[in-house]
Amino acid sequence: GQQLNQSPQSMFIQEGEDVSMNCTSSSIFNTWLWYKQDPGEGPVLLIALYKAGELTSNGRLTAQFGITRKDSFLNISASIPSDVGIYFCAGTTSGTYKYIFGTGTRLKVLA
Amino acid sequence: KAGVTQTPRYLIKTRGQQVTLSCSPISGHRSVSWYQQTPGQGLQFLFEYFSETQRNKGNFPGRFSGRQFSNSRSEMNVSTLELGDSALYLCASSRQDNEKLFFGSGTQLSVL
Repeated sequence: GQQLNQSPQSMFIQEGEDVSMNCTSSSIFNTWLWYKQDPGEGPVLLIALYKAGELTSNGRLTAQFGITRKDSFLNISASIPSDVGIYFCAGTTSGTYKYIFGTGTRLKVLA
Repeated sequence: KAGVTQTPRYLIKTRGQQVTLSCSPISGHRSVSWYQQTPGQGLQFLFEYFSETQRNKGNFPGRFSGRQFSNSRSEMNVSTLELGDSALYLCASSRQDNEKLFFGSGTQLSVL
């Protein structure tokens, strides 16, 4: 199935460190979404981005809609143990009525 | 405001059986979409409904079907279950195209 390239695939970091992950697509998107998912649960929406260059924050999380409209970035500052989980990006193009999801970044935070 | 509600939470079926999953979207959301999540394939789009009309369908066999009711609630059905259908099935709702997508907790289907 179709998936976006998301990197890194996984990362171990120390509590208090900053984290960066990104997502790339071969297609242009109109909207990018970032999610966090805990095991056995549905993804929880973190940030939504609607135009190229847009930078949006949600607490310690900051995401950007790439200028080319083919990529997006998520940064987590001063990570804490509850940041552990899998982070997904998702993108959509108008008129397709579906989102394509990234392969996920598994984050583990060492206290 | 209540979130997206999916029932049942867990299901165990045997090969050849069929299953129906239910989804109630967030109040006011008319778009409902379904995704299948497996460790190997990630999150894959199944179909999307808006005002009882299917607007897009993913690359899944015809055994997978869905529908939406006039109150925006949706169901998906999988007939003649196969082992490979074991997955977390996620329903999501949004107000309209291109907007934020909110997920339910999912139905974990195990096919034995």
